[in-house]
Amino acid sequence: DIVLTQSPDSLAVSLGERATINCKSSQSVLYNSSSQNYLTWFQQKPGQPPKLLLYWASTRQSGVPDRFSGSGSGTHFTLTISSLQAEDVAVYYCQQYYYIPLTFGGGTKVEIK
Amino acid sequence: QVQLVQSGSELVKPGASVRVSCKASGYTFTSHTMSWVRQAPGQGLEWMGWINTDTGKPTHAQGFTGRFVFSLDTSVSTTYLQINNLKAEDTAVYYCARSALGTNFADWWGQGSLVTVSS
Repeated sequence: DIVLTQSPDSLAVSLGERATINCKSSQSVLYNSSSQNYLTWFQQKPGQPPKLLLYWASTRQSGVPDRFSGSGSGTHFTLTISSLQAEDVAVYYCQQYYYIPLTFGGGTKVEIK
Repeated sequence: QVQLVQSGSELVKPGASVRVSCKASGYTFTSHTMSWVRQAPGQGLEWMGWINTDTGKPTHAQGFTGRFVFSLDTSVSTTYLQINNLKAEDTAVYYCARSALGTNFADWWGQGSLVTVSS
């Protein structure tokens, strides 16, 4: 199974500052024929289901604010929140959908400093 | 508007069975695969597998075979997760999640169903 390792486990960022979350895959999730990375990012707030933020590693889901961005390719990926807002407090998960079983990273908890 | 509405919380005894439902609306039910995802208390997300809503074929992740059954009723646009011979470690929130058209990633999630296994 593909293992996704997220770092850090948690981070505290001041309002308006940048938050950066990393996701490392044990195998490449880049599909060479399409040059697409089969990786998503989800946001989960307490008591709520996960919400899709980004797919194909960097494509924002409709309605997601543009302060959320994704980058990376192959085995290393990053989720960036450019200017942290209070409503961004949540746990963030990466997930690969290249291989079965689909697998998630362990999650990164983002809090306000 | 896409909606996935799951059944409510369940308190069940060890060894019993439970069935969680996920009713879809707002889209063509048979065009999108439906996954099931488990989240134990305070833990992360685990993909349990999915069911092809067109053919009814299930795919299970390792660790979710045998006791875990995926099924569907297309006449009411509903998928089901049945867990047999429940154990304490099955206590979790179970989510259904729709795959985006033509891909494997989940773009819509149900609200979750809490299953508590306790005597």
